[in-house]
Amino acid sequence: QSVLTQPPSVSAAPGQKVTISCSGSSSNIGNNYVSWYQQLPGTAPKLLIYDNNKRPSGIPDRFSGSKSGTSATLGITGLQTGDEADYYCGTWDSSLSGVVFGGGTKLTVL
Amino acid sequence: EVQLVESGGGLVQPGGSLRLSCAASGFTLSSYWMHWVRQAPGKGLVWVSRINSDGSSTSYADSVKGRFTISRDNAKNTLYLQMNSLRAEDTAVYYCARECGGDCFYFDYWGQGALVTVSS
Repeated sequence: QSVLTQPPSVSAAPGQKVTISCSGSSSNIGNNYVSWYQQLPGTAPKLLIYDNNKRPSGIPDRFSGSKSGTSATLGITGLQTGDEADYYCGTWDSSLSGVVFGGGTKLTVL
Repeated sequence: EVQLVESGGGLVQPGGSLRLSCAASGFTLSSYWMHWVRQAPGKGLVWVSRINSDGSSTSYADSVKGRFTISRDNAKNTLYLQMNSLRAEDTAVYYCARECGGDCFYFDYWGQGALVTVSS
């Protein structure tokens, strides 16, 4: 059971938009920045979004992040088949004194 | 180019020990906090441990506290994870990851992972 809650799976057609939610509490998302990671099959995770809504160099603006209260959202527009991956949210948990992740969301581009 | 390369994974019996290494290159290891994150087969990411830039401060997930020890040798550009009293539930791919800076809690670079299998 992960501390942060994500939907197990989402799907959409190529070219469409999808959002992935990440729900937490005041000890984690509510008072700390959220990051998002993309894990393509058989590879290591890759940073997509940090500090709630910032993109590292090289990440296209099709990827966006937002946070409100104790929840965060990853948005992906113009879906491509290459976006099929597992997506994880993460943040610091002040009560646990450790980094916590969501359980991951598998994106299928139909 | 920033690179993190893990080594030392393998098959170990329950109750046994293993030490993972993470060789860093392309950046000054001594300037960054470092972490270990693991992923059991078919499961999600789980944070394991963290060490500050000079090795004077560490923290652990409750599931490994007292059994795992994180350390670093900045002169050798290497991060370590000593794993003792291993259990079947420790079976996972172990990733080393660089924290962006101090107290920013996101990981901007990850290694390719080292598979640890605990089984008799």
